Amino acid sequence: SAVISQKPSRDICQRGTSLTIQCQVDSQVTMMFWYRQQPGQSLTLIATANQGSEATYESGFVIDKFPISRPNLTFSTLTVSNMSPEDSSIYLCSGTEGAANTEAFFGQGTRLTVV
Amino acid sequence: AQSVTQPDIHITVSEGASLELRCNYSYGATPYLFWYVQSPGQGLQLLLKYFSGDTLVQGIKGFEAEFKRSQSSFNLRKPSVHWSDAAEYFCAVGAEDSNYQLIWGAGTKLIIKP
Repeated sequence: SAVISQKPSRDICQRGTSLTIQCQVDSQVTMMFWYRQQPGQSLTLIATANQGSEATYESGFVIDKFPISRPNLTFSTLTVSNMSPEDSSIYLCSGTEGAANTEAFFGQGTRLTVV
Repeated sequence: AQSVTQPDIHITVSEGASLELRCNYSYGATPYLFWYVQSPGQGLQLLLKYFSGDTLVQGIKGFEAEFKRSQSSFNLRKPSVHWSDAAEYFCAVGAEDSNYQLIWGAGTKLIIKP
């Protein structure tokens, strides 16, 4: 399966600032997803990012807070804007070829701490 | 609505003992089923998947899972666990009519006793 390089792996940020997380895939993928994972919890989908169109956000997540770019089929970014301590979490990007019979593969995650 | 239930938040087993992690799903049509493992500080790695065909699927690291449609279950098993299996295990369901988004269970943390 494809490999996703996600960076940064971790960061400590001041409240009120923004952080951009990057994911680079070693092959073209149709769909990319961004998740948030609170400590000890499951994955919560933030948005689906498709190339050439705006991201589709899940309930509770908005573009102003989590702008996403998907300029091509191998790259995507998620920005966490105007951060507060409540944004401290692990952020994961995922890719899939878009068919249900292919699995999703994941980046290593970004552990974000907002102080 | 689709949902995935992993009823066990934690499971503790002795090294060398057998393991079964439970997963139940709710979905009207035939789901696509996955088990992922997340080691501490790591991303998620696919253990195995079921789409169709043989209901007993083999995965990596000696894991297997059995799809039971009548019970809406997809339990993960391993005959003999190793200390390196200590991790968080997630069951997930995908479907074509949901744009292939995965619905995730809450996860089960596996603790291995020496």
